[in-house]
Amino acid sequence: DVKVTQSSRYLVKRTGEKVFLECVQDMDHENMFWYRQDPGLGLRLIYFSYDVKMKEKGDIPEGYSVSREKKERFSLILESASTNQTSMYLCASSTGTSGTDTQYFGPGTRLTVL
Amino acid sequence: GQQVMQIPQYQHVQEGEDFTTYCNSSTTLSNIQWYKQRPGGHPVFLIQLVKSGEVKKQKRLTFQFGEAKKNSSLHITATQTTDVGTYFCASNSGGYQKVTFGTGTKLQVIP
Repeated sequence: DVKVTQSSRYLVKRTGEKVFLECVQDMDHENMFWYRQDPGLGLRLIYFSYDVKMKEKGDIPEGYSVSREKKERFSLILESASTNQTSMYLCASSTGTSGTDTQYFGPGTRLTVL
Repeated sequence: GQQVMQIPQYQHVQEGEDFTTYCNSSTTLSNIQWYKQRPGGHPVFLIQLVKSGEVKKQKRLTFQFGEAKKNSSLHITATQTTDVGTYFCASNSGGYQKVTFGTGTKLQVIP
């Protein structure tokens, strides 16, 4: 079974803090993704990566950056957290072998920025 | 970018009633995937459709892909309380690995 893990289920940070969200997958998947989920807005793609050290902006990259130094790990960084970044953050991975890949999601991190 | 609209946003049904959620795009989709997210959980892949007019079934769930590949539907027959959750459609953007998700339909089943 594919396993995608995220470093925290719940996180509370203060405005202006630097926040790191970590995601690890154990299935040697090429692609990794970061989404945020907000009521009524569905899942919105922040960034994705199709290879080590490669990254592509998603639909809402502003205020975020990412890092992929190793294939299994994809980090989302909030350089200076703001209250409008309070959300559920979901990491996902996919094999990358075709254009019709299934996405496997981690359990999510609920981030609250005070 | 590609946009996928999903309706309705919420649906409450009595247990035993049917339920349908619809996914629409202004552009032709290369494929359509459906995911289910249980309350407090994460999205889990249900199925993928790639052919025009394709219909697939999983027990009480029927998935359809439109002839023009611009819309899709998920129909649940005789809902049960275990069907509660949010259902998302999603599609790849052409040849890229990026997947665009619909806004989701939250289903509540009243026992």
